[in-house]
Amino acid sequence: AQTVTQSQPEMSVQEAETVTLSCTYDTSESDYYLFWYKQPPSRQMILVIRQEAYKQQNATENRFSVNFQKAAKSFSLKISDSQLGDAAMYFCAYRSALGAGKSTFGDGTTLTVKP
Amino acid sequence: DADVTQTPRNRITKTGKRIMLECSQTKGHDRMYWYRQDPGLGLRLIYYSFDVKDINKGEISDGYSVSRQAQAKFSLSLESAIPNQTALYFCATSDSNWDRAKNIQYFGAGTRLSVL
Repeated sequence: AQTVTQSQPEMSVQEAETVTLSCTYDTSESDYYLFWYKQPPSRQMILVIRQEAYKQQNATENRFSVNFQKAAKSFSLKISDSQLGDAAMYFCAYRSALGAGKSTFGDGTTLTVKP
Repeated sequence: DADVTQTPRNRITKTGKRIMLECSQTKGHDRMYWYRQDPGLGLRLIYYSFDVKDINKGEISDGYSVSRQAQAKFSLSLESAIPNQTALYFCATSDSNWDRAKNIQYFGAGTRLSVL
């Protein structure tokens, strides 16, 4: 079974600064997908960014980028130019490319953005 | 309108009561999922369904049952609610014919359930 570990229960960043959230995972599969979700107080799960394991290039979405290290099974999220609206819980998730398409989630990192 | 709609958004019930959480989707996806989120933890899979006739248990299915009434509807039932089922419940959908460039699960807004 796959596991996802987020070792930072809480992080804080000054507005306009850069912060990196860590995620490691364990799997024996070679084909899979990794995701970062944002969960603000509204509870909605919002997809932030997605990475295909078969792609070496790191995904980027505006101020959000990832550092995907497949051999190390690491998938960190970098938020540049942090904004107050970035404050939320962030979840890392693993999804197999095969089978049922179930997702395995980490326990989340609460990000605080200080003005 | 939301693509994945969960009802109710919030519910308070008493121990021993039967309760149903409903999920409907307009995305035309064949796969649907129910997850549970406890405070400080990630989402854990309760049940998932490939289509109307294919329902499977997830990692924490004890105490829950589901019904896939139609491709667009997937309900989660607590036959006899207990306090440790107090949690945030999410429904999600995905398409088995997913584009390899996407492979995204779409989540509803969640149902907060409190069992007293």
